Amino acid sequence: ETGVTQTPRHLVMGMTNKKSLKCEQHLGHNAMYWYKQSAKKPLELMFVYNFKEQTENNSVPSRFSPECPNSSHLFLHLHTLQPEDSALYLCASSQTPTQFTDTQYFGPGTRLTVL
Amino acid sequence: AQSVAQPEDQVNVAEGNPLTVKCTYSVSGNPYLFWYVQYPNRGLQFLLKYITGDNLVKGSYGFEAEFNKSQTSFHLKKPSALVSDSALYFCAVRPGSSNTGKLIFGQGTTLQVKP
Repeated sequence: ETGVTQTPRHLVMGMTNKKSLKCEQHLGHNAMYWYKQSAKKPLELMFVYNFKEQTENNSVPSRFSPECPNSSHLFLHLHTLQPEDSALYLCASSQTPTQFTDTQYFGPGTRLTVL
Repeated sequence: AQSVAQPEDQVNVAEGNPLTVKCTYSVSGNPYLFWYVQYPNRGLQFLLKYITGDNLVKGSYGFEAEFNKSQTSFHLKKPSALVSDSALYFCAVRPGSSNTGKLIFGQGTTLQVKP
């Protein structure tokens, strides 16, 4: 799991706060992903970046703002969140998302609680 | 619509017995199928994948999965379960139409292995 790291591991924030989640991959991959994992629901893909360019936005509300300054770092900026946004946010990376043999590797996640 | 179904929320098995975690899928085009495992407070760990070729795929920790095209299934199996296999298991499919790396996940199956 040290290939993909996420900070912080736990975050509690109020609805008016602004915070950021950070993800870093040490695998030399070109693509990075944000997923949301809520209890009793399938993982939901939020964003995909390939070579720093956003290639997928899965109709995510604008209160979630991703940033990918390079292929190794991915941020998720949070503002004016709602209690239903409380979830585990997972980051993943992969080498070549355009290839069907591509495999995603996940970080440990950030457990977010919105009060 | 493209989807993955894991029909069992929980599977219980005694240590030493064989285990099966079920997955069925619905995609247009060729399916590219994955299994991941999630231990408590951890991210998802890749177990195995089916891209093409042999219908029986071998993966990490002694797990294997059988691809059945006619039944659109990709069940995860292990001949002899260990207590340490207790975790949450996710099946995922990559639609053949996706070139962004997008994966569609099932809702997960909790595997409980009793000593």
